[in-house]
Amino acid sequence: EAGVAQSPRYKIIEKRQSVAFWCNPISGHATLYWYQQILGQGPKLLIQFQNNGVVDDSQLPKDRFSAERLKGVDSTLKIQPAKLEDSAVYLCASSKALLAGGSQKEFFGPGTRLTVL
Amino acid sequence: AQTVTQSQPEMSVQEAETVTLSCTYDTSESDYYLFWYKQPPSRQMILVIRQEAYKQQNATENRFSVNFQKAAKSFSLKISDSQLGDAAMYFCAYRSAGGDDKIIFGKGTRLHILP
Repeated sequence: EAGVAQSPRYKIIEKRQSVAFWCNPISGHATLYWYQQILGQGPKLLIQFQNNGVVDDSQLPKDRFSAERLKGVDSTLKIQPAKLEDSAVYLCASSKALLAGGSQKEFFGPGTRLTVL
Repeated sequence: AQTVTQSQPEMSVQEAETVTLSCTYDTSESDYYLFWYKQPPSRQMILVIRQEAYKQQNATENRFSVNFQKAAKSFSLKISDSQLGDAAMYFCAYRSAGGDDKIIFGKGTRLHILP
């Protein structure tokens, strides 16, 4: 079974530039998550999709971050404009179950390491 | 709001020995799930073990086991017969069993395996 795919793996940009990350979840997984992991910290959920609908985006800085999941499969996360504090690894994860309590297993992608100069 | 605390930023263990990673959490809920995730240097997060709060029996997965103390809100991970491949960041995580699927992670413990 193919895992969660993310691209690019690394990205270096200057502050105020824009950047986009792409995620392809495991086939058939209804739920998709984007996490931000700053160096030395645990992942923080940015946004959760159920198919193509947003379930939770309470921790997404909406003035500069946006995400979409067209057709309920692939997803993109965009930052515009980037700030120095956005330097982090952005992890995508997917799981099979719909909202049914926490029993479903999440599968994580390799992440995209963003450096903002 | 729920919180997860890992008080050991780094730990080291000799190969083949046993090590225990600590985790405490805070919640007012009675039903929830707890997880330990492993993140090797390649950064792909992998689920190591999962515990349902309503189960009294501690979860076990091969060399990995947990000590779940619900009243104390403690969830430690024991790794037996440590191997070089166990070197990684380990994250303790919490998820509510009702409605909100959001996982809350601790800050992690970096585990070094000494040959």
